[in-house]
Amino acid sequence: SQQGEEDPQALSIQEGENATMNCSYKTSINNLQWYRQNSGRGLVHLILIRSNEREKHSGRLRVTLDTSKKSSSLLITASRAADTASYFCARGSQGNLIFGKGTKLSVKP
Amino acid sequence: NAGVTQTPKFQVLKTGQSMTLQCAQDMNHEYMSWYRQDPGMGLRLIHYSVGAGITDQGEVPNGYNVSRSTTEDFPLRLLSAAPSQTSVYFCASSYSSVGGETQYFGPGTRLLVL
Repeated sequence: SQQGEEDPQALSIQEGENATMNCSYKTSINNLQWYRQNSGRGLVHLILIRSNEREKHSGRLRVTLDTSKKSSSLLITASRAADTASYFCARGSQGNLIFGKGTKLSVKP
Repeated sequence: NAGVTQTPKFQVLKTGQSMTLQCAQDMNHEYMSWYRQDPGMGLRLIHYSVGAGITDQGEVPNGYNVSRSTTEDFPLRLLSAAPSQTSVYFCASSYSSVGGETQYFGPGTRLLVL
């Protein structure tokens, strides 16, 4: 399988804490994306980081990319109960995207 | 602007039956994709298309056919359903963009094959 790997598979934290999820991949990339999926719903795009970028921010999200280690991390700061969802990294282009297996985040109020 | 729409939302089939999962987008996106999602497996690409008349296989194409006669529509056909095709199916579309493209997902079709 070409799927990337996220870790941890599941993460449970209290509201207000930070959540960090990691993604590893095996092949070279032009960019890497993170998506969120609420239970039973379609995926929603969160952020895209290009291979020449090391860090990118969007609101409470911070994504880092280390192409030498073939890894990326997604940090959600000051988490809220509404952040409870599964988070996936993805790479690829032209409709041919490969997704990881995801991290299931549970934020308890 | 409806985005990506999928029908039906839920379907029950018997082994050996055929059906078509419909997917449409109104954003004039070039690229369209079909994924299946099974518990603990993330999303796996079934087929994708880079434009009308052009399709290609993804990671798990066996048992599925696709065609793309228009930019808007990308139906997925199951010719002879098997219990192993029980899954949630997502259609997505995206457009060409320098630096990377964002996929827009439909709400999914839940398929149960008995």
